[in-house]
Amino acid sequence: GAGVSQSPRYKVAKRGQDVALRCDPISGHVSLFWYQQALGQGPEFLTYFQNEAQLDKSGLPSDRFFAERPEGSVSTLKIQRTQQEDSAVYLCASSVKDGYEQYFGPGTRLTVT
Amino acid sequence: AQKVTQAQTEISVVEKEDVTLDCVYETRDTTYYLFWYKQPPSGELVFLIRRNSFDEQNEISGRYSWNFQKSTSSFNFTITASQVVDSAVYFCALSEAPNAGKSTFGDGTTLTVKP
Repeated sequence: GAGVSQSPRYKVAKRGQDVALRCDPISGHVSLFWYQQALGQGPEFLTYFQNEAQLDKSGLPSDRFFAERPEGSVSTLKIQRTQQEDSAVYLCASSVKDGYEQYFGPGTRLTVT
Repeated sequence: AQKVTQAQTEISVVEKEDVTLDCVYETRDTTYYLFWYKQPPSGELVFLIRRNSFDEQNEISGRYSWNFQKSTSSFNFTITASQVVDSAVYFCALSEAPNAGKSTFGDGTTLTVKP
C-alpha cells in the first residue's frame, strides 16, 4: 500500500518568504507527526495531531510555524517569514495511534537563502 | 522530561562482525514506549522495533536483537554477522504515556559496515 508522501521534496525560499509543506499520511492512520531534522541530528518533535485535533505543538520553534490537519487526513506545515535557521529537513510521520510505531515520509528539504 | 542518549556517534565494523548500538533513556513515567529506527543513506526512516515499558523480554528478529533493561534504563540493539546493507544511521526514540504522541529521538549512531 501507499506510504507517507510529502511534497515538495525540495524547496528553496528567499529569506522572508512564506512556505507550505504538505504531508499525505497512510490512509486510516489517526496520528500524524511533524519533525525537524538538522544535518547530523535526530528528528526534533514539532507537533502532532490525533485526527484533526492538534494535541501538542510544544515543539514549534516560534509563532512563525503553524500546522493544520483540517479533515483529519492531509496536513500542512506552514512557515511564515522564513529565516536561515529554518533550513532543515522537515519530516512527516503517521501511526495507527499514539505510542505506536511511526511511518515516515521522505521529508522536505528546505533551504532558506 | 524525556531524554535519549546514544553515546556512540559513529561505529565502523568489518562485514560479519557483531555490533551493539547503545541507547540510554531518561523518563519519570512508568508507562512509556521505546523504538529503534533505521535511516539508510536514501534518507527515509524505517521502523525496526517497538517496546512498551512493561515488557522486558528481549527480542530477536533474524540478525537483529534487542536487550531492554529497565534497571539500567537501556535499550540496546545488536546486529549479528553485520552486512554492508546494514550501513545506516540508527535512532533510538522514547514516547511517554499519556502524551505518547510526543517522541524524543537520540542523535543517532552512524554504522558503517565495510566489506
